[in-house]
Amino acid sequence: NAGVMQNPRHLVRRRGQEARLRCSPMKGHSHVYWYRQLPEEGLKFMVYLQKENIIDESGMPKERFSAEFPKEGPSILRIQQVVRGDSAAYFCASSPPHLSRANVLTFGAGSRLTVL
Amino acid sequence: GDSVTQMEGPVTLSEEAFLTINCTYTATGYPSLFWYVQYPGEGLQLLLKATKADDKGSNKGFEATYRKETTSFHLEKGSVQVSDSAVYFCALLPNNAGNMLTFGGGTRLMVKP
Repeated sequence: NAGVMQNPRHLVRRRGQEARLRCSPMKGHSHVYWYRQLPEEGLKFMVYLQKENIIDESGMPKERFSAEFPKEGPSILRIQQVVRGDSAAYFCASSPPHLSRANVLTFGAGSRLTVL
Repeated sequence: GDSVTQMEGPVTLSEEAFLTINCTYTATGYPSLFWYVQYPGEGLQLLLKATKADDKGSNKGFEATYRKETTSFHLEKGSVQVSDSAVYFCALLPNNAGNMLTFGGGTRLMVKP
């Protein structure tokens, strides 16, 4: 496992369609985080998940956005009825199960969503 | 709440110039501090980190010292190269439970030959 794997790398959707972004964490990592990077801005935290459990979703928009991390398979960030303002780079990161200050998030290469 | 403030870019330098990118933070207690780098079209890579006051993180010629008294973590490099052109993000990890980084807005560095 080379690292955190995200797909697709690039996704184009028309307004009103659905976008699904996938993230497979590093081997041995059971915590997944999603961040959003709007054009010319920094990264903003969206949601923090463990397997089958959402730990913190304080950064998720109240509507149209959802995230899951099932027992089997990748974490999915789902955006329903996309709008142009959803165009951004979405980064996934993962960390080991035992949290400590020495832990460092490992980031994937990101998924760039473009809404036409 | 916790926050990170970085100098705005872009920063444009000639090759072999000295680089400083300022970063200050607001947090309770003693957070860990990080610099991440994002090369064009890629994700974030950890550049260096420091977990306690007066620690110095270093990597690839870059350095940053955790200054508790000034709540700063400025990034420096003595001689930049064209290949250092990227966006640099300062980030903090609070010392309470959780592993959620708070990022600064990023500083774009452009190094000209």
